[in-house]
Amino acid sequence: SSELTQDPAVSVALGQTVRITCQGDSLRSYYASWYQQKPGQAPVLVIYGKNNRPSGIPDRFSGSSSGNTASLTITGAQAEDEADYYCNSRDSSGNPLFGGGTKLTVL
Amino acid sequence: QVQLQESGPGLVKPSETLSLTCTVSGGSVSSGSYYWSWIRQPPGKGLEWIGYIYYSGSTNYNPSLKSRVTISVDTSKNQFSLKLSSVTAADTAVYYCARYIVVVPAATSSNWFDPWGQGTLVTVSS
Repeated sequence: SSELTQDPAVSVALGQTVRITCQGDSLRSYYASWYQQKPGQAPVLVIYGKNNRPSGIPDRFSGSSSGNTASLTITGAQAEDEADYYCNSRDSSGNPLFGGGTKLTVL
Repeated sequence: QVQLQESGPGLVKPSETLSLTCTVSGGSVSSGSYYWSWIRQPPGKGLEWIGYIYYSGSTNYNPSLKSRVTISVDTSKNQFSLKLSSVTAADTAVYYCARYIVVVPAATSSNWFDPWGQGTLVTVSS
Protein backbone atom coordinates (compact mmCIF):
# COMPACT_ATOMS: atom_id res chain seq x y z
CA SER A 1 0.00 0.00 0.00
CA SER A 2 1.00 3.68 -0.13
CA GLU A 3 0.88 6.68 2.16
CA LEU A 4 -0.20 10.29 1.93
CA THR A 5 2.16 12.62 3.77
CA GLN A 6 1.15 16.01 5.14
CA ASP A 7 3.05 18.54 7.22
CA PRO A 8 1.71 18.29 10.80
CA ALA A 9 1.35 22.03 11.23
CA VAL A 10 1.34 25.19 9.13
CA SER A 11 0.73 28.81 10.08
CA VAL A 12 -0.33 31.84 8.08
CA ALA A 13 -0.83 35.51 8.86
CA LEU A 14 -4.37 36.79 8.60
CA GLY A 15 -5.15 37.74 5.00
CA GLN A 16 -2.11 36.03 3.55
CA THR A 17 -1.93 32.98 1.27
CA VAL A 18 -1.07 29.51 2.53
CA ARG A 19 -0.48 26.24 0.71
CA ILE A 20 -1.07 22.91 2.41
CA THR A 21 0.54 19.97 0.65
CA CYS A 22 -0.06 16.23 0.42
CA GLN A 23 2.52 13.87 -1.05
CA GLY A 24 2.10 10.31 -2.23
CA ASP A 25 2.71 8.07 -5.21
CA SER A 26 -1.02 7.53 -5.75
CA LEU A 27 -1.42 11.23 -6.49
CA ARG A 28 0.19 10.60 -9.86
CA SER A 29 -2.95 8.62 -10.79
CA TYR A 30 -5.73 10.07 -8.65
CA TYR A 31 -6.84 13.56 -7.73
CA ALA A 32 -6.90 14.38 -4.04
CA SER A 33 -9.93 15.61 -2.15
CA TRP A 34 -9.55 17.94 0.83
CA TYR A 35 -11.46 18.21 4.10
CA GLN A 36 -11.63 20.90 6.76
CA GLN A 37 -12.27 19.79 10.33
CA LYS A 38 -12.85 22.19 13.19
CA PRO A 39 -12.68 21.02 16.82
CA GLY A 40 -15.59 18.82 17.79
CA GLN A 41 -17.04 18.83 14.28
CA ALA A 42 -17.20 16.38 11.41
CA PRO A 43 -14.92 16.90 8.43
CA VAL A 44 -16.31 19.03 5.61
CA LEU A 45 -15.36 18.59 1.96
CA VAL A 46 -13.71 21.73 0.57
CA ILE A 47 -12.08 20.56 -2.69
CA TYR A 48 -12.67 17.55 -4.94
CA GLY A 49 -11.61 16.45 -8.40
CA LYS A 50 -9.22 18.59 -10.40
CA ASN A 51 -10.23 21.80 -8.56
CA ASN A 52 -13.92 21.79 -7.62
CA ARG A 53 -15.56 23.43 -4.64
CA PRO A 54 -18.83 22.18 -3.17
CA SER A 55 -21.63 24.68 -2.83
CA GLY A 56 -21.01 27.02 0.08
CA ILE A 57 -17.22 26.74 0.11
CA PRO A 58 -15.59 30.16 -0.38
CA ASP A 59 -13.63 30.70 -3.56
CA ARG A 60 -10.48 31.48 -1.55
CA PHE A 61 -10.06 27.69 -1.39
CA SER A 62 -8.46 26.08 -4.43
CA GLY A 63 -6.72 22.84 -5.30
CA SER A 64 -3.92 21.85 -7.61
CA SER A 65 -1.71 18.88 -8.36
CA SER A 66 1.75 18.28 -9.79
CA GLY A 67 3.48 14.95 -9.96
CA ASN A 68 3.14 13.20 -6.61
CA THR A 69 2.01 16.33 -4.74
CA ALA A 70 -1.46 17.76 -4.28
CA SER A 71 -1.95 21.20 -2.78
CA LEU A 72 -4.75 23.07 -1.09
CA THR A 73 -4.31 26.83 -1.32
CA ILE A 74 -6.16 29.37 0.79
CA THR A 75 -5.83 32.83 -0.72
CA GLY A 76 -6.47 35.48 1.89
CA ALA A 77 -6.78 33.24 4.94
CA GLN A 78 -9.47 34.18 7.44
CA ALA A 79 -9.63 33.49 11.16
CA GLU A 80 -12.42 30.98 10.55
CA ASP A 81 -10.09 28.93 8.33
CA GLU A 82 -8.12 27.81 11.39
CA ALA A 83 -8.72 24.06 11.44
CA ASP A 84 -7.26 20.67 10.65
CA TYR A 85 -7.06 19.82 6.96
CA TYR A 86 -6.94 16.28 5.57
CA CYS A 87 -6.21 15.10 2.06
CA ASN A 88 -7.75 11.92 0.67
CA SER A 89 -6.92 9.82 -2.33
CA ARG A 90 -6.37 6.12 -2.85
CA ASP A 91 -3.70 3.60 -2.03
CA SER A 92 -2.01 1.23 -4.47
CA SER A 93 -4.96 -1.16 -4.17
CA GLY A 94 -7.47 1.54 -5.01
CA ASN A 95 -8.78 1.81 -1.46
CA PRO A 96 -9.52 5.23 0.09
CA LEU A 97 -6.61 6.67 2.03
CA PHE A 98 -6.28 9.78 4.20
CA GLY A 99 -3.23 11.88 4.91
CA GLY A 100 -2.22 12.42 8.51
CA GLY A 101 -3.67 15.92 8.61
CA THR A 102 -2.29 19.45 8.85
CA LYS A 103 -3.17 21.81 11.67
CA LEU A 104 -3.54 25.31 10.25
CA THR A 105 -3.03 28.25 12.58
CA VAL A 106 -4.09 31.72 11.44
CA LEU A 107 -1.98 34.34 13.20
CA GLN B 1 -29.98 17.80 0.60
CA VAL B 2 -28.66 14.44 1.77
CA GLN B 3 -28.04 14.09 5.49
CA LEU B 4 -26.53 11.19 7.42
CA GLN B 5 -26.95 10.38 11.11
CA GLU B 6 -25.08 7.77 13.12
CA SER B 7 -26.68 5.94 16.01
CA GLY B 8 -25.66 3.21 18.41
CA PRO B 9 -24.17 2.50 21.85
CA GLY B 10 -21.52 4.89 23.07
CA LEU B 11 -19.87 2.31 25.30
CA VAL B 12 -18.79 -1.20 24.33
CA LYS B 13 -16.96 -3.74 26.46
CA PRO B 14 -13.64 -5.21 25.32
CA SER B 15 -13.98 -8.36 23.19
CA GLU B 16 -17.58 -7.50 22.31
CA THR B 17 -19.01 -6.28 19.01
CA LEU B 18 -19.46 -2.62 18.17
CA SER B 19 -22.66 -1.97 16.20
CA LEU B 20 -23.62 1.32 14.58
CA THR B 21 -26.29 2.37 12.12
CA CYS B 22 -26.31 5.28 9.69
CA THR B 23 -29.67 6.65 8.62
CA VAL B 24 -29.78 8.51 5.32
CA SER B 25 -32.34 11.24 4.72
CA GLY B 26 -32.94 13.42 1.69
CA GLY B 27 -31.56 10.74 -0.60
CA SER B 28 -31.60 6.99 -1.18
CA VAL B 29 -29.00 4.37 -0.34
CA SER B 30 -30.35 2.58 -3.42
CA SER B 31 -28.88 5.23 -5.71
CA GLY B 32 -26.49 3.51 -8.05
CA SER B 33 -24.21 6.52 -8.16
CA TYR B 34 -22.79 6.27 -4.66
CA TYR B 35 -21.13 4.07 -2.11
CA TRP B 36 -21.83 4.33 1.62
CA SER B 37 -18.88 4.39 3.92
CA TRP B 38 -17.65 4.27 7.51
CA ILE B 39 -14.65 6.26 8.73
CA ARG B 40 -13.26 6.58 12.24
CA GLN B 41 -11.04 8.98 14.15
CA PRO B 42 -9.38 8.03 17.45
CA PRO B 43 -9.23 10.90 19.94
CA GLY B 44 -6.58 13.42 18.89
CA LYS B 45 -5.63 11.42 15.79
CA GLY B 46 -6.34 11.34 12.08
CA LEU B 47 -9.00 9.78 9.90
CA GLU B 48 -9.08 6.07 9.04
CA TRP B 49 -11.30 4.58 6.35
CA ILE B 50 -13.07 1.44 7.59
CA GLY B 51 -15.02 0.29 4.55
CA TYR B 52 -17.89 0.94 2.18
CA ILE B 53 -20.92 -0.77 0.70
CA TYR B 54 -22.86 -0.43 -2.54
CA TYR B 55 -26.64 -0.69 -2.53
CA SER B 56 -26.36 -4.14 -4.10
CA GLY B 57 -24.53 -5.34 -0.99
CA SER B 58 -21.06 -5.38 -2.52
CA THR B 59 -18.48 -4.35 0.06
CA ASN B 60 -14.85 -3.27 0.35
CA TYR B 61 -12.99 -3.13 3.64
CA ASN B 62 -9.74 -1.69 4.93
CA PRO B 63 -7.34 -4.67 4.92
CA SER B 64 -6.17 -3.80 8.43
CA LEU B 65 -9.71 -4.27 9.78
CA LYS B 66 -11.15 -6.72 7.27
CA SER B 67 -11.17 -9.75 9.57
CA ARG B 68 -13.36 -7.93 12.11
CA VAL B 69 -15.61 -5.70 9.99
CA THR B 70 -19.03 -6.26 8.46
CA ILE B 71 -20.97 -3.53 6.67
CA SER B 72 -24.53 -4.16 5.58
CA VAL B 73 -27.31 -2.16 3.93
CA ASP B 74 -31.06 -2.10 4.52
CA THR B 75 -32.64 -0.38 1.54
CA SER B 76 -36.14 -0.64 3.04
CA LYS B 77 -35.07 1.50 5.98
CA ASN B 78 -32.62 3.63 3.98
CA GLN B 79 -29.85 2.67 6.40
CA PHE B 80 -26.49 1.02 6.39
CA SER B 81 -24.70 -0.49 9.36
CA LEU B 82 -21.28 -1.29 10.78
CA LYS B 83 -20.28 -4.21 12.96
CA LEU B 84 -16.75 -4.42 14.38
CA SER B 85 -16.02 -7.53 16.39
CA SER B 86 -13.54 -8.30 19.16
CA VAL B 87 -13.02 -4.66 20.02
CA THR B 88 -10.20 -3.36 22.19
CA ALA B 89 -9.35 0.05 23.62
CA ALA B 90 -7.63 0.82 20.31
CA ASP B 91 -11.06 0.87 18.67
CA THR B 92 -12.14 3.83 20.80
CA ALA B 93 -12.91 6.57 18.29
CA VAL B 94 -15.45 8.88 16.78
CA TYR B 95 -17.17 6.89 14.05
CA TYR B 96 -18.48 8.73 11.01
CA CYS B 97 -20.66 7.57 8.17
CA ALA B 98 -20.32 9.31 4.82
CA ARG B 99 -21.39 9.06 1.22
CA TYR B 100 -18.50 8.05 -1.02
CA ILE B 101 -18.31 9.12 -4.62
CA VAL B 102 -15.95 7.76 -7.24
CA VAL B 103 -15.52 9.29 -10.68
CA VAL B 104 -13.54 7.45 -13.33
CA PRO B 105 -13.25 9.66 -16.39
CA ALA B 106 -11.00 9.00 -19.32
CA ALA B 107 -8.14 10.77 -17.58
CA THR B 108 -7.46 11.07 -13.85
CA SER B 109 -9.86 9.43 -11.44
CA SER B 110 -11.12 11.15 -8.33
CA ASN B 111 -12.97 10.15 -5.19
CA TRP B 112 -14.42 12.01 -2.26
CA PHE B 113 -16.60 11.72 0.84
CA ASP B 114 -19.58 14.06 1.06
CA PRO B 115 -21.64 14.57 3.12
CA TRP B 116 -20.57 13.22 6.50
CA GLY B 117 -22.65 12.42 9.53
CA GLN B 118 -21.98 14.34 12.72
CA GLY B 119 -20.08 11.39 14.18
CA THR B 120 -20.60 9.33 17.30
CA LEU B 121 -18.03 8.59 19.97
CA VAL B 122 -17.66 4.94 20.84
CA THR B 123 -15.60 4.12 23.89
CA VAL B 124 -14.33 0.61 24.51
CA SER B 125 -14.06 0.03 28.21
CA SER B 126 -15.13 -2.43 30.84
